[in-house]
Amino acid sequence: DQQVKQNSPSLSVQEGRISILNCDYTNSMFDYFLWYKKYPAEGPTFLISISSIKDKNEDGRFTVFLNKSAKHLSLHIVPSQPGDSAVYFCAASDPNSGYALNFGKGTSLLVTP
Amino acid sequence: KAGVTQTPRYLIKTRGQQVTLSCSPISGHRSVSWYQQTPGQGLQFLFEYFSETQRNKGNFPGRFSGRQFSNSRSEMNVSTLELGDSALYLCASSPIGNYEQYFGPGTRLTVT
Repeated sequence: DQQVKQNSPSLSVQEGRISILNCDYTNSMFDYFLWYKKYPAEGPTFLISISSIKDKNEDGRFTVFLNKSAKHLSLHIVPSQPGDSAVYFCAASDPNSGYALNFGKGTSLLVTP
Repeated sequence: KAGVTQTPRYLIKTRGQQVTLSCSPISGHRSVSWYQQTPGQGLQFLFEYFSETQRNKGNFPGRFSGRQFSNSRSEMNVSTLELGDSALYLCASSPIGNYEQYFGPGTRLTVT
């Protein structure tokens, strides 16, 4: 069963606007969450992460928000740039599973000029 | 530092054969994990090795196996290949005490 879900397979945003990518999870044991970006023919690249003891983490144009009660997290990209066009994966870690990451199926972001 | 490297990058095998994929982690990283990416299932965890020991295993059949060497390099093996094993196999390494994993470019396996 898919414990991490990204319900929007794709998203299109205009350059300069905000991109919001969403992720839901079902396992309440998850305590660390990560976002990865992936271009075709490359491995995923780590973007930003957040621990379950926080509700927000910011790194430049990227901010991740965590709502533990709703089991929901989101990635905000402001302002969006054409180079941000890629597939974004949400991932979560359960401390009982070591370093194994549970991934969502990804959201393909297209930023148009 | 050099990133995670994987060899080969592309591989074509016939159903029933076996295959070995190789991964060299980032220098100093002792944890190596393997993932399978397919269009329908996304990225799925295969197994994780730390100090030559398998610490975790995903929900894959026994045909999928791996090992880690004393220099932290890792290999994964798939025996009796099936058409459904066609996928991108990704290796990732982590420093100790850090959940952030750094991925290699992957090996694209095609089973015909």
